[in-house]
Amino acid sequence: EDQVTQSPEALRLQEGESSSLNCSYTVSGLRGLFWYRQDPGKGPEFLFTLYSAGEEKEKERLKATLTKKESFLHITAPKPEDSATYLCAVRGITGGGNKLTFGTGTQLKVEL
Amino acid sequence: EPEVTQTPSHQVTQMGQEVILRCVPISNHLYFYWYRQILGQKVEFLVSFYNNEISEKSEIFDDQFSVERPDGSNFTLKIRSTKLEDSAMYFCASRAELAATGELFFGEGSRLTVL
Repeated sequence: EDQVTQSPEALRLQEGESSSLNCSYTVSGLRGLFWYRQDPGKGPEFLFTLYSAGEEKEKERLKATLTKKESFLHITAPKPEDSATYLCAVRGITGGGNKLTFGTGTQLKVEL
Repeated sequence: EPEVTQTPSHQVTQMGQEVILRCVPISNHLYFYWYRQILGQKVEFLVSFYNNEISEKSEIFDDQFSVERPDGSNFTLKIRSTKLEDSAMYFCASRAELAATGELFFGEGSRLTVL
């Protein structure tokens, strides 16, 4: 069974204070690791797809990296508008290969 | 910007009643999904749908659940006889044909409360 564990559960940063979120995973045949952002009361919003160890993707203040066992979401000089829950999900080969298995997320709060 | 729309935003129902949650996926998307999130828990996969049939379903998606694409724009989730444990936020998602399987566009969700 595919599993995703995210840490920390919650993170409070000052504006401009860089940090990293962790996503550890076990999956049968990784077919993609995905990062989403979820604002309160909203649906997840897609951020990145990573497929193989060593791959990196960047978007504004966010950079996602992937190893064989975990992924990191690095946040550089965050702003209050980056406050959200960040979800990690994996797609494996079990079943029909259509489902994403999500972690419980890291709730990020960026303060002025 | 195109978006997935869901109705109702919140529904309260009595245990044992039937509920239909509606979704309008992005117009040129061909893959459709339902996920749910119980308060404080993970987002969980329910079902995927392509070419007018279910392509995969989870253990949660038992005989009480069904999905339908009744016309060219709507995608519905029906729960035949609701239970207390069906209380959750239900998210519809869609995907473009050439996008990666995990690059989903989610709606804002329908909150279901079963009393």
